[in-house]
Amino acid sequence: AQSVTQPDIHITVSEGASLELRCNYSYGATPYLFWYVQSPGQGLQLLLKYFSGDTLVQGIKGFEAEFKRSQSSFNLRKPSVHWSDAAEYFCAVGGVRGNEKLTFGTGTRLTIIP
Amino acid sequence: GAVVSQHPSRVICKSGTSVKIECRSLDFQATTMFWYRQFPKKSLMLMATSNEGSKATYEQGVEKDKFLINHASLTLSTLTVTSAHPEDSSFYICSATAGYNEQFFGPGTRLTVL
Repeated sequence: AQSVTQPDIHITVSEGASLELRCNYSYGATPYLFWYVQSPGQGLQLLLKYFSGDTLVQGIKGFEAEFKRSQSSFNLRKPSVHWSDAAEYFCAVGGVRGNEKLTFGTGTRLTIIP
Repeated sequence: GAVVSQHPSRVICKSGTSVKIECRSLDFQATTMFWYRQFPKKSLMLMATSNEGSKATYEQGVEKDKFLINHASLTLSTLTVTSAHPEDSSFYICSATAGYNEQFFGPGTRLTVL
């Protein structure tokens, strides 16, 4: 069975500081991995995705993530956070086709302090 | 990018009544739509997968008779919460895919049952 673990429930970072959100997955085959961001009361916005190829993927809003198969990880990073990055972040794993279900992690809430 | 809408964005209903939530893919034909439920400060839990023209596939523990899903066309899926009770209050999010590598999420519907 597929699963996603986000070990950090809540992270607080100073504005301008770097950020890394952790994600570990379990999947029986080649995983498709995603990071989504959700603002309060809103739907999910895709930040980036990994399907194959270069293990360092670039996303929107200056985010990037690195796929490490040996560690079953797909950590999200940003070199310098902005106050507008405060939100809930979800890592998800799915199959090779879009019509296969996604399994989400429990999310990490990011708070930005001035 | 592909756009998915949900209607209504918020709904308040009395206990015992039924509520219908619509999910539409605005600029593509969705072969598959997914319905998720999100409790406060929790992750998204997949409720069911619906393919156009066929019966929905429900996840374990989701009551089929309570959460009726219809995917009558390639651009519309509906979730009807029948005989709603306060414990059904939640944030419901749909996603849609054309079968490629990505699901596109709607903005969500906040259901409050009094």
